[in-house]
Amino acid sequence: QQQVKQSPQSLIVQKGGIPIINCAYENTAFDYFPWYQQFPGKGPALLIAIRPDVSEKKEGRFTISFNKSAKQFSLHIMDSQPGDSATYFCAASMPGGYNKLIFGAGTRLAVHP
Amino acid sequence: NAGVTQTPKFQVLKTGQSMTLQCAQDMNHEYMSWYRQDPGMGLRLIHYSVGAGITDQGEVPNGYNVSRSTTEDFPLRLLSAAPSQTSVYFCASRYTGNTEAFFGQGTRLTVV
Repeated sequence: QQQVKQSPQSLIVQKGGIPIINCAYENTAFDYFPWYQQFPGKGPALLIAIRPDVSEKKEGRFTISFNKSAKQFSLHIMDSQPGDSATYFCAASMPGGYNKLIFGAGTRLAVHP
Repeated sequence: NAGVTQTPKFQVLKTGQSMTLQCAQDMNHEYMSWYRQDPGMGLRLIHYSVGAGITDQGEVPNGYNVSRSTTEDFPLRLLSAAPSQTSVYFCASRYTGNTEAFFGQGTRLTVV
């Protein structure tokens, strides 16, 4: 059962473009939505995270937009660079102390010079 | 500060063999977990632990065992390896609550 659906599977943009990766969730009890970035041969690393009481969060060139009524959230990368080429995972978690992170299928992003 | 350390980085097993993937963290995190990563499937939770002596199953636990005798270590055991267990395995740890999860570098396992 895939509780977090991520699209697209892969994405190619030119340097300076704004790639957008979308995720949709089913369980309205989720209250923590992080994005992880993974480079080849490495483990995922936290990029940015949002909670549902906020509609948007920015950290540097990375922005999460959150639509609670539609149960969707997305990652935007402003002024994308070749160094942003990586696989991006959205995830969701329930509130409380010990909660499992449920990941989307991942999006492989390539930023061409 | 080593963070989360996984060993080995690469392993080839024959069908039916057993092995243990090691995971150690030095951040005193209560929560540790094992994921497998397969193309197009994302990261799927195998087992997790909320503290020493406490473990529970995740989304895909069949064929895997875990134990947590110390806060630092969380080994994953394959009792009888199958080709379907060919994957990249990641160990992660974090504090209680919805906080940042720290991942190891991964173990690439091939079962032939």
